[in-house]
Amino acid sequence: QKEVEQDPGPLSVPEGAIVSLNCTYSNSAFQYFMWYRQYSRKGPELLMYTYSSGNKEDGRFTAQVDKSSKYISLFIRDSQPSDSATYLCAMSVGSSNTGKLIFGQGTTLQVKP
Amino acid sequence: NAGVTQTPKFQVLKTGQSMTLQCAQDMNHNSMYWYRQDPGMGLRLIYYSASEGTTDKGEVPNGYNVSRLNKREFSLRLESAAPSQTSVYFCASDLLGGPYGYTFGSGTRLTVV
Repeated sequence: QKEVEQDPGPLSVPEGAIVSLNCTYSNSAFQYFMWYRQYSRKGPELLMYTYSSGNKEDGRFTAQVDKSSKYISLFIRDSQPSDSATYLCAMSVGSSNTGKLIFGQGTTLQVKP
Repeated sequence: NAGVTQTPKFQVLKTGQSMTLQCAQDMNHNSMYWYRQDPGMGLRLIYYSASEGTTDKGEVPNGYNVSRLNKREFSLRLESAAPSQTSVYFCASDLLGGPYGYTFGSGTRLTVV
């Protein structure tokens, strides 16, 4: 079993829809949780970063972490065609000099106009 | 533009050939990483360098070697390429060696025939 599991999709939604992307994990020591966005043939770019449990909002994006359930989510409100990309969750235990991130498989999202 | 630069962008090798993937960052980051990305597998860590002068194995180091040439540069070498090493390779860097979010390069697409 992978340490981080993510539904690869693909996920196709109409423009304006609310999108929910999710990851589960097995290592209870993870403390740092991130979402990366990767456009086709590009490198991943950091979208959201959360420490421990709770919610974080940035514009149309909301990241949620539920450590008791070992479950994280990314919500995209009013989705746009420009949101079409692969979204990767990533997490880390986080002690100094060991900032190695463990990534999920990525979910491919297509937002149709 | 500041960031992580990877060369080459594309490469085709024959089985048994060797090559070095180059990575350089100009953000004065301390830590650097090499990942490979395969369909359905997400990003998997090959090697990382927490700081200049140190390197450590990641999840999938077999068949690879690395050199942290200086603070800016971190190279990945394939000594005897195999078809299983066909992948997209990403270099990333991070300021503090902690999980505060990597900056990724644009990737090297490698095909081994």
